[in-house]
Amino acid sequence: EDQVTQSPEALRLQEGESSSLNCSYTVSGLRGLFWYRQDPGKGPEFLFTLYSAGEEKEKERLKATLTKKESFLHITAPKPEDSATYLCAVQAVEKLVFGKGTKLTVNP
Amino acid sequence: NAGVMQNPRHLVRRRGQEARLRCSPMKGHSHVYWYRQLPEEGLKFMVYLQKENIIDESGMPKERFSAEFPKEGPSILRIQQVVRGDSAAYFCASSPSRGKGNQPQHFGDGTRLSIL
Repeated sequence: EDQVTQSPEALRLQEGESSSLNCSYTVSGLRGLFWYRQDPGKGPEFLFTLYSAGEEKEKERLKATLTKKESFLHITAPKPEDSATYLCAVQAVEKLVFGKGTKLTVNP
Repeated sequence: NAGVMQNPRHLVRRRGQEARLRCSPMKGHSHVYWYRQLPEEGLKFMVYLQKENIIDESGMPKERFSAEFPKEGPSILRIQQVVRGDSAAYFCASSPSRGKGNQPQHFGDGTRLSIL
């Protein structure tokens, strides 16, 4: 069965304090790994797609990387507006299988 | 706003009533997906539809739940005879027809369903 585990469940950082979020997965036939950001009361907002081990994507302070078993979302010098829940999902067929997310809080 | 549109944003029903949730995909998108998010749980896949066809309903409860995506109009998720356990946020996502690689699914802001 396809499975996604995210850690930590919650993370508190001071503004400017870099860190990484982890997404471990098991899937039969990975077609893509997706990172989303979700703000309270909103739907998930697409951030990145990664397709194969070794691939990296960057957007502003965020950088996503992928290995055969896990993905990392690196946050460099975060700002309070980066506070959100970050979701990881894998796609084997058409549906997405999501982890429970990491709730990130960045204090000023 | 060219994003995925869901309505209503909030829906309150009493036990035994019917709930209808609507989703209009992004312009140019022909694939629609429904997910459910329970408190403290991750998003769970329910059903995948294309126009007039249900492609994968492996995540749908066998009873009381149905979905459609007609040739004209929005996709509808219908829950009959609602129970307290149906209280959740229901999200719709859409993606374009398959091209090179897997296109990301783009989500609406959800319908929060509360059962009294």
